[in-house]
Amino acid sequence: EVQLVQSGAEVRKPGATVKISCKVSGKIFTDHYIHWLQKAPGKGPQWMGLIHPQHGQTIYAERFQGRVTIVAETSRDTAYMELRSLRAEDTALYYCATGGTTGSLLEFWGQGTLVTVSS
Amino acid sequence: DIVMTQSPLSLPVTPGEPASISCRSSQSLLHSSGYNFLDWYVQKPGQSPQLLICLGSTRASGVPDRFSGSGSGTDFTLQISRVEAEDVGVYYCMQALQTPYSFGQGTKLEIK
Repeated sequence: EVQLVQSGAEVRKPGATVKISCKVSGKIFTDHYIHWLQKAPGKGPQWMGLIHPQHGQTIYAERFQGRVTIVAETSRDTAYMELRSLRAEDTALYYCATGGTTGSLLEFWGQGTLVTVSS
Repeated sequence: DIVMTQSPLSLPVTPGEPASISCRSSQSLLHSSGYNFLDWYVQKPGQSPQLLICLGSTRASGVPDRFSGSGSGTDFTLQISRVEAEDVGVYYCMQALQTPYSFGQGTKLEIK
């Protein structure tokens, strides 16, 4: 069974940085891109970026460019997403997701990590 | 960037009745491979989004056959032949053709 297990909820002050982890099990970590998405209350998911775990190639959405960094640690089958210069509107659930055999980019999802930004 | 537009945004349905959700993209999602890079997801209350349909019409593993996806180019439809109580949630279409990948606003399906 494929599982993506994310780190726990975080609370940060405006201007701070948060780093979330996503451990993949049940599949070969390097086979598919790993994506990160932001889900704010009442809004559709926003795609933030991706990494190819084997090559380290990253692509970021322009709206997060300069504030987000995604890395993959193949020895731990774990991806990380760091978001800097946090603001109140970054309060959201953050998901990692990866592909599988169906052809979808986002076949498997983590459970989500709630980040609350508040002074 | 490709903009995805869904309708309706709210969909009250009587159990056993059919339901249909429309999704339109600002650019064609038809790839030279012949596949439409359009996926459907549902986010049930308290859960992560889960894949229903990929490449426009391919059901994901374990998805009941009462769910079907159709369409090509810029116009797509998700159909549920007979809605059940467990289908409650927010349904999203997503274009997977080019980055930044983008989602529709979501359609909230509720049971009458």
